[in-house]
Amino acid sequence: EPEVTQTPSHQVTQMGQEVILRCVPISNHLYFYWYRQILGQKVEFLVSFYNNEISEKSEIFDDQFSVERPDGSNFTLKIRSTKLEDSAMYFCASSDTGGKNSPLHFGNGTRLTVT
Amino acid sequence: SQKIEQNSEALNIQEGKTATLTCNYTNYSPAYLQWYRQDPGRGPVFLLLIRENEKEKRKERLKVTFDTTLKQSLFHITASQPADSATYLCALSNFGNEKLTFGTGTRLTIIP
Repeated sequence: EPEVTQTPSHQVTQMGQEVILRCVPISNHLYFYWYRQILGQKVEFLVSFYNNEISEKSEIFDDQFSVERPDGSNFTLKIRSTKLEDSAMYFCASSDTGGKNSPLHFGNGTRLTVT
Repeated sequence: SQKIEQNSEALNIQEGKTATLTCNYTNYSPAYLQWYRQDPGRGPVFLLLIRENEKEKRKERLKVTFDTTLKQSLFHITASQPADSATYLCALSNFGNEKLTFGTGTRLTIIP
């Protein structure tokens, strides 16, 4: 069964550094998402992306964050200058017809640790 | 403010019994409600989707109900097994909105 893959599985970075988290969504999907989950807390929406542009973003997704689909297969999340509070598990997800009425398929996440 | 609340943080159920999890929401008008399973260190996995005009949906040992008057969904696992132990998340979005918002989750443990 096709799956969403994320790399790396674990990333350690120093405060102030830039990180790029990578995702390969399911190939025929059109909607892409990033969520994050701080340890012990709920899964939080960051951003949705469709037709090469952001369709919706949360308050968490400020100017330090950006997303890109650089080619036909990858979907990336960049954090420009990491803060301690960015430490979390970041999940990429994709869906075929939009998350509200079709399932989201999640990857197994990148655990980001900011020191 | 908008809230999605799942009734208990943790639930222990004897193997073979039915586990019932609750999801309540306020200040949403969802057209759809979804349930996911999350194992430790893994991404959520989709289980069931129910539409606002559907009262009940079943898939194998799983059953979901959706009451838009009570603003509540119930998620049942019948004949529960230790392998059903996981955190279960409900999720919904407002009509016309792409953002799927998750509840806090209920950690279910099936005791052999």
